[in-house]
Amino acid sequence: SQQGEEDPQALSIQEGENATMNCSYKTSINNLQWYRQNSGRGLVHLILIRSNEREKHSGRLRVTLDTSKKSSSLLITASRAADTASYFCATEFDSNYQLIWGAGTKLIIKP
Amino acid sequence: DTEVTQTPKHLVMGMTNKKSLKCEQHMGHRAMYWYKQKAKKPPELMFVYSYEKLSINESVPSRFSPECPNSSLLNLHLHALQPEDSALYLCASSPTEGRYNEQFFGPGTRLTVL
Repeated sequence: SQQGEEDPQALSIQEGENATMNCSYKTSINNLQWYRQNSGRGLVHLILIRSNEREKHSGRLRVTLDTSKKSSSLLITASRAADTASYFCATEFDSNYQLIWGAGTKLIIKP
Repeated sequence: DTEVTQTPKHLVMGMTNKKSLKCEQHMGHRAMYWYKQKAKKPPELMFVYSYEKLSINESVPSRFSPECPNSSLLNLHLHALQPEDSALYLCASSPTEGRYNEQFFGPGTRLTVL
């Protein structure tokens, strides 16, 4: 079952602009992860942020976590055509270590 | 080797066929997963193997039968599937089944059931 909700469902921006996508969830979590999926292929892990962390960076990616609002955001700076993909958030919580997936945001970077 | 491989890439089968999907990883991971993904949807967990034992079965119909012959291999045996089972089947692995584990995904098998 899906716990995470993501918005927007789709986002189209010009190359070089920043892209922000958001994820909300319903119950307390151990950590939240972001994955990227290029069209019809496997998912690639991008970043994991623990429940006691507020912000994390990896290259052009910045993830924030607000546990009081049960939400996270993924910022991709200086977007490139290769960033075109679907982005999923996934939450892990204590009673069950399995990942619960959000619906995903489809990002299109226009050249 | 930091790859999860899956074969075949594409599979077309009739409703009376029996086929198998294969997944392999050589990262020493002890948890392996099967997911089903429909178009424009997130992955849905089907099965989890932890230390070669079935740990989670998400109420998947018996026409899907998982098998973990050893710590590197995971199979999904398919029999008497329905057209609605057509989807991308993804295999993943993680170091363990516990906390804070990122999952490594294979490229998937695109299954079409006629």
